[in-house]
Amino acid sequence: GENVEQHPSTLSVQEGDSAVIKCTYSDSASNYFPWYKQELGKRPQLIIDIRSNVGEKKDQRIAVTLNKTAKHFSLHITETQPEDSAVYFCARGSARQLTFGSGTQLTVLP
Amino acid sequence: DAGVIQSPRHEVTEMGQEVTLRCKPISGHDYLFWYRQTMMRGLELLIYFNNNVPIDDSGMPEDRFSAKMPNASFSTLKIQPSEPRDSAVYFCASSGSDTSNYGYTFGSGTRLTVV
Repeated sequence: GENVEQHPSTLSVQEGDSAVIKCTYSDSASNYFPWYKQELGKRPQLIIDIRSNVGEKKDQRIAVTLNKTAKHFSLHITETQPEDSAVYFCARGSARQLTFGSGTQLTVLP
Repeated sequence: DAGVIQSPRHEVTEMGQEVTLRCKPISGHDYLFWYRQTMMRGLELLIYFNNNVPIDDSGMPEDRFSAKMPNASFSTLKIQPSEPRDSAVYFCASSGSDTSNYGYTFGSGTRLTVV
């Protein structure tokens, strides 16, 4: 599948501030966009996902937005906490295959 | 549900040796994926199966790598002979048949070190 570009590669925020991670894709067939959180030495875990017929989805402090026309989607974390520190991966899905972005190392500073 | 189970958790082997990684997907999931994770290349899809049949193995780096899924509850990824550049974390993931939401569940991974 085609690549997913993810930015930034590293992000540091103060506890309580918001964090935004952005991904872009080029494959028009992509119809599913999950986000994974990977803590050091652990497995990637699904934290939120969005389908191509939805523009925004929210779950407590995290939200994902999708702009199909521009082919980009973003993860928003509000009121960040130290336990949010991890690597976050976006992915795009097409025909049941997921192609992952390169990851964003988020550090929440106390 | 015990989730996706991988073994071993860690494997250290000498160059040239055969390595076999094992995976048990979540019961009822009919898709199984093998990924490799390195700092340089991130998460790379190696191969995936649907109903025990290999669908796409274009990510398998070379003939030294092979994968099988003899039944719905077991898959193996074999490297023979192993090389130091194969050192990575290998993840297995499984997914169900919901066509609108196919987020993967990953296993804990196998950290492979080839010396």
